[in-house]
Amino acid sequence: AQSVTQLGSHVSVSEGALVLLRCNYSSSVPPYLFWYVQYPNQGLQLLLKYTSAATLVKGINGFEAEFKKSETSFHLTKPSAHMSDAAEYFCAVSEEGGGNKLTFGTGTQLKVEL
Amino acid sequence: EPEVTQTPSHQVTQMGQEVILRCVPISNHLYFYWYRQILGQKVEFLVSFYNNEISEKSEIFDDQFSVERPDGSNFTLKIRSTKLEDSAMYFCATNSGGAGETQYFGPGTRLLVL
Repeated sequence: AQSVTQLGSHVSVSEGALVLLRCNYSSSVPPYLFWYVQYPNQGLQLLLKYTSAATLVKGINGFEAEFKKSETSFHLTKPSAHMSDAAEYFCAVSEEGGGNKLTFGTGTQLKVEL
Repeated sequence: EPEVTQTPSHQVTQMGQEVILRCVPISNHLYFYWYRQILGQKVEFLVSFYNNEISEKSEIFDDQFSVERPDGSNFTLKIRSTKLEDSAMYFCATNSGGAGETQYFGPGTRLLVL
């Protein structure tokens, strides 16, 4: 069964600082991994996804994530935080034969301070 | 850019009442999903739907829930007799198929059961 763990329900960074949001997954087959962002009172927007091509994936708004099979991780990073990055971030996994469903982590609320 | 739309944006209902949540998928998408997010919790998969039948459903999706695509455009989620614990944000998502394909989420319907 697929599952996702996001360490740190709240992360606070200063504007201009590195953003690191952690995601570890469990999957019995090679996974597909996704990061979604949710702004207040809005739906989920895809930031980036890993689908077994390049292990370093670049997404929108300057975010990127690296798939590390040995560590079963897919951490999200951004070199320099901006105030507009304040939102909730969800890591999700799906797998072939799993009915295409997404299994989400518990989310990380990112706060960006001046 | 095509987007998934959902109506209503908010619904308040009395316990025991039936509610129907509506979703208009992106036009060339064939796979449809419902997820829910109870306030402060993670996004949870409810059901996936393809070719006019349910592909997979979670334990949450019991006999009180049903889905259909009544007119070839709308995709609906019906809750027959709402409970207090059904209060949540309900998201519709659609994609063109495959576990690695991006699921595009609607803005959600916030359901409050009193």
